[in-house]
Amino acid sequence: AQSVAQPEDQVNVAEGNPLTVKCTYSVSGNPYLFWYVQYPNRGLQFLLKYITGDNLVKGSYGFEAEFNKSQTSFHLKKPSALVSDSALYFCAVRPQTGANNLFFGTGTRLTVIP
Amino acid sequence: EAGVAQSPRYKIIEKRQSVAFWCNPISGHATLYWYQQILGQGPKLLIQFQNNGVVDDSQLPKDRFSAERLKGVDSTLKIQPAKLEDSAVYLCASSSQGLRDNEQFFGPGTRLTVL
Repeated sequence: AQSVAQPEDQVNVAEGNPLTVKCTYSVSGNPYLFWYVQYPNRGLQFLLKYITGDNLVKGSYGFEAEFNKSQTSFHLKKPSALVSDSALYFCAVRPQTGANNLFFGTGTRLTVIP
Repeated sequence: EAGVAQSPRYKIIEKRQSVAFWCNPISGHATLYWYQQILGQGPKLLIQFQNNGVVDDSQLPKDRFSAERLKGVDSTLKIQPAKLEDSAVYLCASSSQGLRDNEQFFGPGTRLTVL
């Protein structure tokens, strides 16, 4: 069965500091991995995805994520956090074969403190 | 480029009533998805359309939920009759091809409250 775990409900970081939002996954076979961000009263916005190739993926707004197959992780990172990065972040996985669903984690609320 | 449009944005109904949500995807996007997002959880897929055909509706509670995309463009999701546990945000998303590595573009959602 496919699943995504975001172990931290809440992450607080000071403005200017690096941030990490954790994600681990379980999927049959190889995964496609995605990060989305949700601002209040708005839909999810796509940040970045891993398909194949380089394990370090760069996305929108200075975010990047590293695919680690041995640890089945896809942590989201940013070198220097902005107050405007405060939002709800969702990791999602879609198997390359088999079940066609996009499975989401439960989300991590990031708060960047000025 | 216009994004995914949804209406209404908010809806409050009493249990056992009916409700319908509308979605207009990004122009040219063949694939349309409906998700249910319960408070504190990630979105859960209800149904996926490719043009006007259903690709996956395995998670749709078919005794009360129905969805259609008759002309392969906009779509309607209906709940009849609603239950308290249907209170959630209903998100519509679209993608260009429906391929597994395609990112999905989400609308703002419809927040449903069932009293």
